[in-house]
Amino acid sequence: DTGVSQNPRHKITKRGQNVTFRCDPISEHNRLYWYRQTLGQGPEFLTYFQNEAQLEKSRLLSDRFSAERPKGSFSTLEIQRTEQGDSAMYLCAPDRESTDTQYFGPGTRLTVL
Amino acid sequence: QKEVEQNSGPLSVPEGAIASLNCTYSDRGSQSFFWYRQYSGKSPELIMFIYSNGDKEDGRFTAQLNKASQYVSLLIRDSQPSDSATYLCAGNTGRRALTFGSGTRLQVQP
Repeated sequence: DTGVSQNPRHKITKRGQNVTFRCDPISEHNRLYWYRQTLGQGPEFLTYFQNEAQLEKSRLLSDRFSAERPKGSFSTLEIQRTEQGDSAMYLCAPDRESTDTQYFGPGTRLTVL
Repeated sequence: QKEVEQNSGPLSVPEGAIASLNCTYSDRGSQSFFWYRQYSGKSPELIMFIYSNGDKEDGRFTAQLNKASQYVSLLIRDSQPSDSATYLCAGNTGRRALTFGSGTRLQVQP
């Protein structure tokens, strides 16, 4: 158990709807990453936070995507006007600074119909 | 060329044998490498990380890094059916975020 929770675990939505996912690490981690994983592929980096600051965004993160980490603890990822191509597992990974290692939460599986 | 490459498999080994999983990377600036295990429908689980050339052992797992050859491997000794999963290799290819390979599916036959 990594101590990371993600909600919801599953989300089915219709194309064009907005969805929001949440990531809660149990203990405070300065850095927190978001990845997306599609079937048969490894996770792909989306964005990461150092405390409240969003320090890097992948080119995968179109303007329909927005992420926040308002108090440097939990984080949210919102997708507006969802498309079928957004169907994937969305993973958050806090970073343990002592070893610079990332531990994944259970993920949110998004299905866009 | 992908930054981190893995053979998709499946790699099939009999129970009790050594499973050898391989990964190559293209960015010579990569500093550290990670092996994750992923069961079907679950999120990746970190099993090993390695920063220095050479071998690093943890229980039945040994990670090997050869920066000159840009090669990373994971050996699993005494393979068990419960080791059947997809193994993902990842590297810090010059930035904090990880770059993953597509994974190798391992099947351990009882």
